[in-house]
Amino acid sequence: QKEVEQNSGPLSVPEGAIASLNCTYSDRGSQSFFWYRQYSGKSPELIMFIYSNGDKEDGRFTAQLNKASQYVSLLIRDSQPSDSATYLCAPTGAGSYQLTFGKGTKLSVIP
Amino acid sequence: DAGITQSPRHKVTETGTPVTLRCHQTENHRYMYWYRQDPGHGLRLIHYSYGVKDTDKGEVSDGYSVSRSKTEDFLLTLESATSSQTSVYFCAISDLLSGNTEAFFGQGTRLTVV
Repeated sequence: QKEVEQNSGPLSVPEGAIASLNCTYSDRGSQSFFWYRQYSGKSPELIMFIYSNGDKEDGRFTAQLNKASQYVSLLIRDSQPSDSATYLCAPTGAGSYQLTFGKGTKLSVIP
Repeated sequence: DAGITQSPRHKVTETGTPVTLRCHQTENHRYMYWYRQDPGHGLRLIHYSYGVKDTDKGEVSDGYSVSRSKTEDFLLTLESATSSQTSVYFCAISDLLSGNTEAFFGQGTRLTVV
């Protein structure tokens, strides 16, 4: 059974601060790592993906991957109230059909 | 936006009745998935398909069956609905052939079993 662990939150940060969302996974064969954002009552949408160890930046978002520690994180700089949502981590193995999601971390950005 | 349509969007049904949810895609993606999402459990995979007539079970498949007779359609059937199947159901598609495993989701179906 592949396990994906995320702190369920809620994680509250003030507007303009950095939000740090963390995810650990059990499957050492995982090679692709996705972060999805889900607004309340909506479907998940992909915001970031990372394949290699290290950091990947896209605008205000930075994904960080450490395969040795089986750890992936998402940093949101200059957090905005519109970032308030649940963030889902999804590691997948090479050629894997199955997409396994963490339970998600609920982020609340306080104006 | 990826062309994925789920129907119906909302449904209330009685315990013991059969229910079929439909997922239709216009992206010609090979892989299709059905998830349910419940508070405290996140997204859990019910069944998935890797081609026409090729399906397999996910982690919570009991009480559900699926069929895929065409690339574009993936049906989820609750043979005899129970209250524990009250949930929000999401269909997703992906195209592993492109080398990407990212999934695109439909709008969701809110099912209530009374």
